[in-house]
Amino acid sequence: ILNVEQSPQSLHVQEGDSTNFTCSFPSSNFYALHWYRWETAKSPEALFVMTLNGDEKKKGRISATLNTKEGYSYLYIKGSQPEDSATYLCASPDSSASKIIFGSGTRLSIRP
Amino acid sequence: EADIYQTPRYLVIGTGKKITLECSQTMGHDKMYWYQQDPGMELHLIHYSYGVNSTEKGDLSSESTVSRIRTEHFPLTLESARPSHTSQYLCASRRQDTDTQYFGPGTRLTVL
Repeated sequence: ILNVEQSPQSLHVQEGDSTNFTCSFPSSNFYALHWYRWETAKSPEALFVMTLNGDEKKKGRISATLNTKEGYSYLYIKGSQPEDSATYLCASPDSSASKIIFGSGTRLSIRP
Repeated sequence: EADIYQTPRYLVIGTGKKITLECSQTMGHDKMYWYQQDPGMELHLIHYSYGVNSTEKGDLSSESTVSRIRTEHFPLTLESARPSHTSQYLCASRRQDTDTQYFGPGTRLTVL
């Protein structure tokens, strides 16, 4: 089974600071890498889908990079705001592309 | 905004009862998924479907069953609920071209 790992498990950041966290995945048979944001009492929402080595995606203050050769993706948040508090999940389809395997998430808390 | 719905949102039920958690989507997606998530834990895939009349068990053993008679509908049934079934259940459908999953709001189930 594909193993998708995220670190750190949780992160506390001062409002206004920038932060980043990591998703690692097996680099063989890579298909795609997804990032989701999951706010408390809501359902996960897609942030990015990344497929190509060297991909960089951006959505406002949030951006992500992808390195398929070494099997990792970084998510960056610039100038953290309280509304960024959420669990950030990464996911990758397994080799058959039938199932999407989720990491355990990074729980981000922004201190005002 | 994703058009995927789950009912009920919250359910408290006694041991031994039969329950069905409803999930429906209006996006015409073929692939649909059920995940189970305990507080602070990762998402675990319990069932998925490639399309009508297709159902597969996920990675986490589950005593539930699913059916897929119509594209838009993917209900999950517990024949005899037990306290160990207490959890949050999330339904998702997957868009073919981007592989993005769209999640429903979830059903929080408590079995007494």
